[in-house]
This record gives sequence, structure tokens and C-alpha cells, in this order.
Amino acid sequence: RKEVEQDPGPFNVPEGATVAFNCTYSNSASQSFFWYRQDCRKEPKLLMSVYSSGNEDGRFTAQLNRASQYISLLIRDSKLSDSATYLCVVNWPFSQGGKLIFGQGTELSVKP
Amino acid sequence: DTGVSQDPRHKITKRGQNVTFRCDPISEHNRLYWYRQTLGQGPEFLTYFQNEAQLEKSRLLSDRFSAERPKGSFSTLEIQRTEQGDSAMYLCASRVQTNEKLFFGSGTQLSVL
Repeated sequence: RKEVEQDPGPFNVPEGATVAFNCTYSNSASQSFFWYRQDCRKEPKLLMSVYSSGNEDGRFTAQLNRASQYISLLIRDSKLSDSATYLCVVNWPFSQGGKLIFGQGTELSVKP
Repeated sequence: DTGVSQDPRHKITKRGQNVTFRCDPISEHNRLYWYRQTLGQGPEFLTYFQNEAQLEKSRLLSDRFSAERPKGSFSTLEIQRTEQGDSAMYLCASRVQTNEKLFFGSGTQLSVL
């Protein structure tokens, strides 16, 4: 089983659509979770952290389900500028090495 | 510029040669990470440091790869006897120990001919 696994892409959606990305992780002791965004040929940049109670930042909502070892990202009212690859990131506990593991990424393409 | 910097931006080498990349993290960042990324894939974890200590190294990494962070500031990643499969973007990132945000450099694109 992969340590962090994401929905395969690409997702092609029209402007204004709502799109959801899913991610599962293998280490039940993981404590920190993030979504990063990566534009073509650029470095990844933090989109948002994922908190236990779920959190929202404008059109973006992140949720965590510890029991199912699953996190999600919801994008409402998609914009052309949302086109990018979205990376799920899980932080292993420090007691188990503390590494940060990225998923393979899900590509989103928002069309006019 | 106070971001993470990597050098060189591009490296072309012949199979069998050794290459070394450098990463200068943000100065107050204790943790430094190396990743490798190929087209269509997410960054693959290679190794990370807390100050000068290398805390974790991927089991996927062969013995041809080595990394150092001798004074807890800049880091180097060396690949010995390069193979064509080593062609990838090598990304360095850093963060403050108690701060979760990871800052990436622009990467070094390696092409092994």
C-alpha cells in the first residue's frame, strides 16, 4: 500500500463547478496533514493545512477523517486560475522519523 | 532574496559521472528536506535533516545517493555514478521546526545522457 495515495487525474471541469479531491494515508499515527498546489514547472506551495475539525479558506474546504485515514479538499466555484496539480501531504510522527510524504498529485484543469 | 535557493538550476551530465547539488535554506529554518520529482508524479521523499543531523533517509534511495548538512545551514546532495533513471527535478525545502509550512526552492533539473 502506498504511504499516501490520491485520486488519479486529470479532472476536467467547467468554470463554476465544484470539485473534490480525496487522499488516503497508511500511517494511522500521522498528526499533520496539508494540501499543496503545484503549477506547471514550478515548486509546490502550501494551499492549506488540514485540521481535525475541518477548515475552510474562501472557496476551499479541507476535511480529515482519522478513522478512515482519509483527507479531502473541496473547491467551490472553480476559477480558471485554479488549474494546477493538487498534492496531499502527510507528516509522519517524529517518533517514526518525522518525514513529510507527498501523494502523486491530482491534476485539475478548469475550462471556460 | 530570503527564500530557499538551489544551485545549479540545470545540470546535464553523462551516465557514470558524479554530480553535486547545493541547497541554501531560509536562515532560521532547522529542518531541511530533499525530494525528487519526475513528470506527472508528486515529490518523492529522499531525506531530511534537523540542523546537521540526518534524521531519515528513504529506503528507496540507493547507496549512490548521499546528503550532508555539515554546519546545519546549507546542504549538499551528491549522486555518484549517475544513471539515466536519475534524471529528475531535485527539490529542496525547509521549515522552522515548530512551524508546519514547507518552503521549496526552485529545484535542480538533472538530465543524465
